[in-house]
Amino acid sequence: DAGVIQSPRHEVTEMGQEVTLRCKPISGHNSLFWYRQTMMRGLELLIYFNNNVPIDDSGMPEDRFSAKMPNASFSTLKIQPSEPRDSAVYFCASSFTDRPSFRFFGPGTRLTVL
Amino acid sequence: GDSVTQMEGPVTLSEEAFLTINCTYTATGYPSLFWYVQYPGEGLQLLLKATKADDKGSNKGFEATYRKETTSFHLEKGSVQVSDSAVYFCALSDGTGNQFYFGTGTSLTVIP
Repeated sequence: DAGVIQSPRHEVTEMGQEVTLRCKPISGHNSLFWYRQTMMRGLELLIYFNNNVPIDDSGMPEDRFSAKMPNASFSTLKIQPSEPRDSAVYFCASSFTDRPSFRFFGPGTRLTVL
Repeated sequence: GDSVTQMEGPVTLSEEAFLTINCTYTATGYPSLFWYVQYPGEGLQLLLKATKADDKGSNKGFEATYRKETTSFHLEKGSVQVSDSAVYFCALSDGTGNQFYFGTGTSLTVIP
């Protein structure tokens, strides 16, 4: 049982560069969530998908952020261009669509933008 | 709107001490309540849950009771261990499960 897999675990980049975070949900789960965690704002839901379709992206902070889910086993969160204030831990979580409360989280990607 | 408020940390306890982390909620419907735990360098893990009033969730010696009259879901453990050192998040899910709200987290450090 692999759980939610995220890559990379750590990313250090320079301001202005493009960053792509990756997530593989638990097999069989059909809802996927992207969260951002910072000391100042805690855990924030950025976007979630049901059956690969984006349902609510109201948490995406700016147009610099975009997320895709081309198939049931893969999702990306892209930041272009990145800024220092994007530094945070980004978590992916997945669940069954009919049990969205029971979310399983990945280990997170710690992003540092210099 | 719905929200969760939990006690601020950090909390530092000696091993075998009693733990309480307070959590209160505001909700318009019939929410489900959760405690998640985040160990250093890891993602959040579901610790326990309660889906209706008076339910008690329990796991790994931790307990929390869904109290509708006080809109609370306080986390308790009778005897903490060093391995319990982590950040604990209270969370609420609305009746549909689509809206999910996390508290700000409470950091717990248990010293030998």
